[in-house]
Amino acid sequence: EADIYQTPRYLVIGTGKKITLECSQTMGHDKMYWYQQDPGMELHLIHYSYGVNSTEKGDLSSESTVSRIRTEHFPLTLESARPSHTSQYLCASTVGTGAYEQYFGPGTRLTVT
Amino acid sequence: GDSVTQMEGPVTLSEEAFLTINCTYTATGYPSLFWYVQYPGEGLQLLLKATKADDKGSNKGFEATYRKETTSFHLEKGSVQVSDSAVYFCALSGGNDYKLSFGAGTTVTVRA
Repeated sequence: EADIYQTPRYLVIGTGKKITLECSQTMGHDKMYWYQQDPGMELHLIHYSYGVNSTEKGDLSSESTVSRIRTEHFPLTLESARPSHTSQYLCASTVGTGAYEQYFGPGTRLTVT
Repeated sequence: GDSVTQMEGPVTLSEEAFLTINCTYTATGYPSLFWYVQYPGEGLQLLLKATKADDKGSNKGFEATYRKETTSFHLEKGSVQVSDSAVYFCALSGGNDYKLSFGAGTTVTVRA
């Protein structure tokens, strides 16, 4: 069973607020990812990191930012939330060897009013 | 680039029916292939995987065989239960950049 955690699980917040979605893993994985999942359930990679102090933008442009100061922690921040940011956000990690399967956290359901 | 195409849903079945979800892929080299499952309100869970041609992945009664000649990795289960209601994602790893390419997901609903 994967040990990857996301908090909060659900968040309802007003427009203009700054928010941080937390993601932590206890598996020592170097590589971590953030996905945005749209209502049709399709997954879009928005950020990834291959190690401490390494972050890259994904395939879908996002107004969010990420940081990777510790191996186990990969938070995502929205400086000013808007209704268009309403979505499900999923964090994942992989050990980066073998088949590169990714392990996912339970997700954060964000609603911006 | 790498891509995955999977059968569009939604799929609605009766309990004990046979389930097939088609998945085909485009990739250079020799990718690893995966099926993930997402139950309502949860993240994705790895259901099964196959890392080379003719490998069969299996778990919880689900099976999929890596067919290089048809570039396919179809998911099958012989007798579904209501608890199998979920969204199923086919994915591949090309192995060059540590990223996964996902299909669009197929929603499966099993009725009692």
